[in-house]
Amino acid sequence: DAKTTQPPSMDCAEGRAANLPCNHSTISGNEYVYWYRQIHSQGPQYIIHGLKNNETNEMASLIITEDRKSSTLILPHATLRDTAVYYCIVRTGANNLFFGTGTRLTVIP
Amino acid sequence: NAGVTQTPKFQVLKTGQSMTLQCAQDMNHEYMSWYRQDPGMGLRLIHYSVGAGITDQGEVPNGYNVSRSTTEDFPLRLLSAAPSQTSVYFCASSYQEGWNTEAFFGQGTRLTVV
Repeated sequence: DAKTTQPPSMDCAEGRAANLPCNHSTISGNEYVYWYRQIHSQGPQYIIHGLKNNETNEMASLIITEDRKSSTLILPHATLRDTAVYYCIVRTGANNLFFGTGTRLTVIP
Repeated sequence: NAGVTQTPKFQVLKTGQSMTLQCAQDMNHEYMSWYRQDPGMGLRLIHYSVGAGITDQGEVPNGYNVSRSTTEDFPLRLLSAAPSQTSVYFCASSYQEGWNTEAFFGQGTRLTVV
């Protein structure tokens, strides 16, 4: 599986967009980019995933570069409830997910 | 639709005791898995199952057994608990192996072995 690199922590002002980067330079053609988050010590929560094209759902947007070597998760209007650890995972499917240490996002009032 | 349900939520064991962590899903998912999470770390895969009657080892399987007699249930057994197994355990399920779909996680079982 391709490895991912994320910054250990980020801050974001409440109401502003949170942009969380992820590098995955060794990603292969059939691997998807998944994003999950873990709020406090709850079970991880799926956010979004994509292969090549940018994706958007009710929670977030996923921007994948044309060479697929990096991506950015965008939370358009961060709230205090978005404070969590965000994991970027590269996989062929939803199974056997490898969770690194992720990015701890703190939304500041 | 309850999703993935784990029981118990909290458990304290003495070293050497055995117990079973329960996991059930009502989404008719073929794929189920168990992870453990130690403080400050990401989740690590213990065991997984691609369907009833089929199980396999993950990254950290030692000290744990699993079975999958039904699609719905995937219990995790600790045969002789050790302090090193103090952790938070998460069960997950997804539709089918290899499909580009999301995994659903339970709320976790917090286990302390003294």
